[in-house]
Amino acid sequence: GQNIDQPTEMTATEGAIVQINCTYQTSGFNGLFWYQQHAGEAPTFLSYNVLDGLEEKGRFSSFLSRSKGYSYLLLKELQMKDSASYLCAVRPLTGGGNKLTFGTGTQLKVEL
Amino acid sequence: DTAVSQTPKYLVTQMGNDKSIKCEQNLGHDTMYWYKQDSKKFLKIMFSYNNKELIINETVPNRFSPKSPDKAHLNLHINSLELGDSAVYFCASRTDTYQETQYFGPGTRLLVL
Repeated sequence: GQNIDQPTEMTATEGAIVQINCTYQTSGFNGLFWYQQHAGEAPTFLSYNVLDGLEEKGRFSSFLSRSKGYSYLLLKELQMKDSASYLCAVRPLTGGGNKLTFGTGTQLKVEL
Repeated sequence: DTAVSQTPKYLVTQMGNDKSIKCEQNLGHDTMYWYKQDSKKFLKIMFSYNNKELIINETVPNRFSPKSPDKAHLNLHINSLELGDSAVYFCASRTDTYQETQYFGPGTRLLVL
């Protein structure tokens, strides 16, 4: 089975940096995704990690350590529009069909 | 141009009714999914089809029946609706690149009264 843990809520200040952590325990691993979901909207793809290390994409970066079962999403120069839920999702090594297991999401609130 | 679309966006119905939700993607993907997101925002996979063939079928009551007439469409029919079926249902489709990223539709908000 798979178990994914993320903090439920975080609050940060506009212009600051925030790190959202995700730990996972899986019977196999073949990639980790981060999605952003604004209230009342669909999840949108942010990043993908399958090898250890940091992937940078503009203001967003995602890090993976497979040996530790750990990932984080780093958001820089926070903007009010970054207030959303951030979902960590893991893809197992087997299972066919690219079945993703999602964490419960971290609700980020960006304040002035 | 909408990549993954769903209809209807909102669905309010009585317990015991039968309803369908439709999904279409114009991305040329082979694989499509149905997810359920409950009131606690937990997103859980229900079904997946690859080129009209069922490949993932999670532990879902058999009142839920997916149908894929072609690889661009995946519909979800729900019989005998129950209060606990109230949720947001998301359709998604998947790229065929090595990342196999899933792209979500706008969701259908189902409320069973």
